[in-house]
Amino acid sequence: QSALTQLASVSGSLGQSITISCTGSSSDVGDYKYVSWYQQHPGKAPKLMIFDVYYRPSGVSSRFSGSKSGNTASLTISGLQAEDEADYYCSSYTPSGTVFGGGTKVTVL
Amino acid sequence: EVQLLESGGGLVQPGGSLRLSCAASGFAFNNYAMTWVRQAPGKGLEWVSSISGSGDRPHYADSVKGRFTVSRDSSKNTLFLQMDSLGVDDTAIYYCAKNEGYGSLDYWGQGTLVTVSS
Repeated sequence: QSALTQLASVSGSLGQSITISCTGSSSDVGDYKYVSWYQQHPGKAPKLMIFDVYYRPSGVSSRFSGSKSGNTASLTISGLQAEDEADYYCSSYTPSGTVFGGGTKVTVL
Repeated sequence: EVQLLESGGGLVQPGGSLRLSCAASGFAFNNYAMTWVRQAPGKGLEWVSSISGSGDRPHYADSVKGRFTVSRDSSKNTLFLQMDSLGVDDTAIYYCAKNEGYGSLDYWGQGTLVTVSS
């Protein structure tokens, strides 16, 4: 149950696009189409932004998109807005449980 | 509206026990797996345990296996986490969350803080 690898921080200017990566292994990200992404603002509970690699829950902005290639999943935020500044966590399903990434702090410049 | 309300957190001494509860409403509780996730102060999310809708298939993180027990009461729409032999590393906010599909957590409670300290 090793954590997925995420960069600690990513920054971008208002209106720009950024991509957050999440690297696992052939036992988790690489083997299942069940990668999720969560947004967490300080002091708040996490919010599901992407599930099953690509899909957005109802109500989540289309500026958020997900993808996967091999053992690495990615979350792209286009048209960066001030309210996107938050921590973002990826997760992957495995038969023995869920594994999270260490989180990426997104800063909007 | 889906609501998840955790309770039972607090201050406990090392080696002690605590039982967390998560009252669920707004969805067919029996039809969904449920999950506990924790977050140590200033740290990232850590999956703790999940249990199937029927309650017969619990899974645990290695860090809590043998010390924590997850259960659910369908008559009360409530999820539980019994935590024994607590250590300082168990200090965290504990969230309960509703599963959707394989591994995604579509609704979260507000969390309950567990502090293990002498």
